[in-house]
Amino acid sequence: EPEVTQTPSHQVTQMGQEVILRCVPISNHLYFYWYRQILGQKVEFLVSFYNNEISEKSEIFDDQFSVERPDGSNFTLKIRSTKLEDSAMYFCASSMDSTNQPQHFGDGTRLSIL
Amino acid sequence: AQSVTQPDIHITVSEGASLELRCNYSYGATPYLFWYVQSPGQGLQLLLKYFSGDTLVQGIKGFEAEFKRSQSSFNLRKPSVHWSDAAEYFCAVVVFGNEKLTFGTGTRLTIIP
Repeated sequence: EPEVTQTPSHQVTQMGQEVILRCVPISNHLYFYWYRQILGQKVEFLVSFYNNEISEKSEIFDDQFSVERPDGSNFTLKIRSTKLEDSAMYFCASSMDSTNQPQHFGDGTRLSIL
Repeated sequence: AQSVTQPDIHITVSEGASLELRCNYSYGATPYLFWYVQSPGQGLQLLLKYFSGDTLVQGIKGFEAEFKRSQSSFNLRKPSVHWSDAAEYFCAVVVFGNEKLTFGTGTRLTIIP
């Protein structure tokens, strides 16, 4: 069964540095998402992406964050000037449709900011 | 805005016993409802979904869930749990015209012999 893949599985970065989290969505999916789960808390929506542009974003997704689909297969989340509170598990998801099809998640990238 | 409540933070069940995990949602119209499971160190795996039609939906791994509009609930059930069911379970909702999944806080399931 096709799946969403995320790399790396764990990223350790110094505070203030930039990180790029990478995702390969399921190949025939059209909608792409990033979610965040801070340790011990619930999964929170960050951003959705369709047709090469952001379609929706949460209040968490401020100017520090950006997303890109640099080619036909990858979907990236860039976090600039990382802060301690950015430490979390970041999940990528994709779906065929925005509402009528379920979102399929990757295994996540654990981001640790030191 | 839609919201999801999972009132049970942690549930412990004996292997072979039945299970019910509670989920309540808040939204004016009928939402689309999901249950995901997260094993330690793993991502979120879709167990089942409800979009419309039959209010009792079957999922993977022997799970089912029932949508009850009158109670705004979408409880997850399994007649006989296995040790491998130990995980965190998340109920989630998305509403038509909105793309984001809104998750509950999750219920951690522990299975004892």
